[in-house]
Amino acid sequence: DGGITQSPKYLFRKEGQNVTLSCEQNLNHDAMYWYRQDPGQGLRLIYYSQIVNDFQKGDIAEGYSVSREKKESFPLTVTSAQKNPTAFYLCASSIWWETKDTQYFGPGTRLTVL
Amino acid sequence: LAKTTQPISMDSYEGQEVNITCSHNNIATNDYITWYQQFPSQGPRFIIQGYKTKVTNEVASLFIPADRKSSTLSLPRVSLSDTAVYYCLLFTLFTSGTYKYIFGTGTRLKVLA
Repeated sequence: DGGITQSPKYLFRKEGQNVTLSCEQNLNHDAMYWYRQDPGQGLRLIYYSQIVNDFQKGDIAEGYSVSREKKESFPLTVTSAQKNPTAFYLCASSIWWETKDTQYFGPGTRLTVL
Repeated sequence: LAKTTQPISMDSYEGQEVNITCSHNNIATNDYITWYQQFPSQGPRFIIQGYKTKVTNEVASLFIPADRKSSTLSLPRVSLSDTAVYYCLLFTLFTSGTYKYIFGTGTRLKVLA
């Protein structure tokens, strides 16, 4: 089955620790995205990547870092510099060179900082 | 950043048609309008996408007037399983590397028996 996988589904970390969230897709999409969702809120864009070895900051990139070494993978690191990291994190992908640019989302990772 | 506006919540009864409207006054020429459904603790699921006039698929219809400043998602004969949050999204990723996205705040639909 084609799709986007995120792991783990739930993640706990202690304050001051970095943590990396995984995102993998087998849709052969060029573009990948990371969003953050807080309770009762919409989605906010953290980072996005159009092609391998290239990525751009979104609206709330501070305290986060990403890499795009492979087309299929776009891991997100939540660093200790992120002041309020507890949230639901969503990864998405799309064929960016189409103007329609439909994004397909993974199941999400819920991060809780203790 | 331009914004979209959606009703915060709506209630409906099983079997009824539900219409959810999203206002996007600053829509650009290249923007497509996409609607998503999201259940608690899950990723949004694509429902339908359109550019103008009317689009229909097996689960919904999307109505877009000529000025494209709003769009209406229509769900025919809703069931209890349609209880979810519905988001409209406008996203354009330009070849220059810049982007524009407008994610609605979502409409919480509750379907009652």
